[in-house]
Amino acid sequence: GQQVMQIPQYQHVQEGEDFTTYCNSSTTLSNIQWYKQRPGGHPVFLIQLVKSGEVKKQKRLTFQFGEAKKNSSLHITATQTTDVGTYFCAQDSSYKLIFGSGTRLLVRP
Amino acid sequence: DAGITQSPRHKVTETGTPVTLRCHQTENHRYMYWYRQDPGHGLRLIHYSYGVKDTDKGEVSDGYSVSRSKTEDFLLTLESATSSQTSVYFCAISGSNEGVSTDTQYFGPGTRLTVL
Repeated sequence: GQQVMQIPQYQHVQEGEDFTTYCNSSTTLSNIQWYKQRPGGHPVFLIQLVKSGEVKKQKRLTFQFGEAKKNSSLHITATQTTDVGTYFCAQDSSYKLIFGSGTRLLVRP
Repeated sequence: DAGITQSPRHKVTETGTPVTLRCHQTENHRYMYWYRQDPGHGLRLIHYSYGVKDTDKGEVSDGYSVSRSKTEDFLLTLESATSSQTSVYFCAISGSNEGVSTDTQYFGPGTRLTVL
């Protein structure tokens, strides 16, 4: 069935370093959403990408959607301890979302 | 945060007992979802509802049933709990306008269920 693969599973960085997580699909995606879950919390919507090659920014976060709409990435510039959490991508599937397995980000102060 | 509550927030039960988790929303959203979250598996969809009394299965529906008799409430039932159902359960809601790509989902705080 449809599936999005997300890598890496874990990333441990020093505060101030950059971080990137990738989401890949074998099929063309209609759109992709990104969510963040803080430790002990619930997933919270970050952004939705719809157009081929789309790039959106939220402060230090940059989201990209591939030209072929089969992959997406989330890049965080100069990580802070507040960025700690698990980042999920999710693909649209007929009013449902199929989530990637997530990338857990740990930041050393 | 959207007006979503889940009850109970924590529950410990024994194998073979029935368990019902409740999700309540005050947003009048049409779509409601139940997920389970386990280490290494992300969020997996159990069941979802697209209206009152309209429900459908997700990818991990075996051992679970749901009911939605009112717009605001979506119940998840484990008829006979097993240890493999120990997990964190999240409810989510979405407006999801028909004909438009899936809307943002808003998640409840979660229920931590332990089956001994």
